[in-house]
Amino acid sequence: AQSVAQPEDQVNVAEGNPLTVKCTYSVSGNPYLFWYVQYPNRGLQFLLKYITGDNLVKGSYGFEAEFNKSQTSFHLKKPSALVSDSALYFCAVRGQYNFNKFYFGSGTKLNVKP
Amino acid sequence: DTGVSQDPRHKITKRGQNVTFRCDPISEHNRLYWYRQTLGQGPEFLTYFQNEAQLEKSRLLSDRFSAERPKGSFSTLEIQRTEQGDSAMYLCASSLGHLGQGVGPPGGNTIYFGEGSWLTVV
Repeated sequence: AQSVAQPEDQVNVAEGNPLTVKCTYSVSGNPYLFWYVQYPNRGLQFLLKYITGDNLVKGSYGFEAEFNKSQTSFHLKKPSALVSDSALYFCAVRGQYNFNKFYFGSGTKLNVKP
Repeated sequence: DTGVSQDPRHKITKRGQNVTFRCDPISEHNRLYWYRQTLGQGPEFLTYFQNEAQLEKSRLLSDRFSAERPKGSFSTLEIQRTEQGDSAMYLCASSLGHLGQGVGPPGGNTIYFGEGSWLTVV
């Protein structure tokens, strides 16, 4: 079975501090991993993905994520948080052999305080 | 505009009425997806099209729900005899898919979402 877990419902961080939003996954075959961000009453915006290659992937708005196969994790990070980063973040996984179905976590609300 | 477009953005309907949502995917994308999202949850897969063929439907998609993509371009999602439990945001997404199991084309594998269509059933 394929699934994604985001263990934190909410993450609070002060502006300028580094942030981490956690994600672990379970999937058949090699994982295709994604992060999306959602602002209130909006759709999901693609941030970054890991398909193959370097375990550290860089994405939009200064975000990056590190793929760790042994820990089946794909944590989202940013060295210095901005107030405008406050939003809902979703991790998603797609299996290597299942092209059509993406499984999403329940989301983590990131609050960046000035 | 090169993004995924959804219409209407908001719909309030009375229980028992039918509603239809439209999605226009990114123009070169051959795959189209419908997801449903309720408050506090991540998107849940409903159905998927490759070109005009509907290849998979979730068990969440009861017989009151029907989706079409008649010419392999835009898609419609119709909900008949709406119930209060249907209240949610309906998200459309599209992607550039390929048939192989490899990495695929640049920009492929990623699904891009529209802004969503909010449905409130009263």
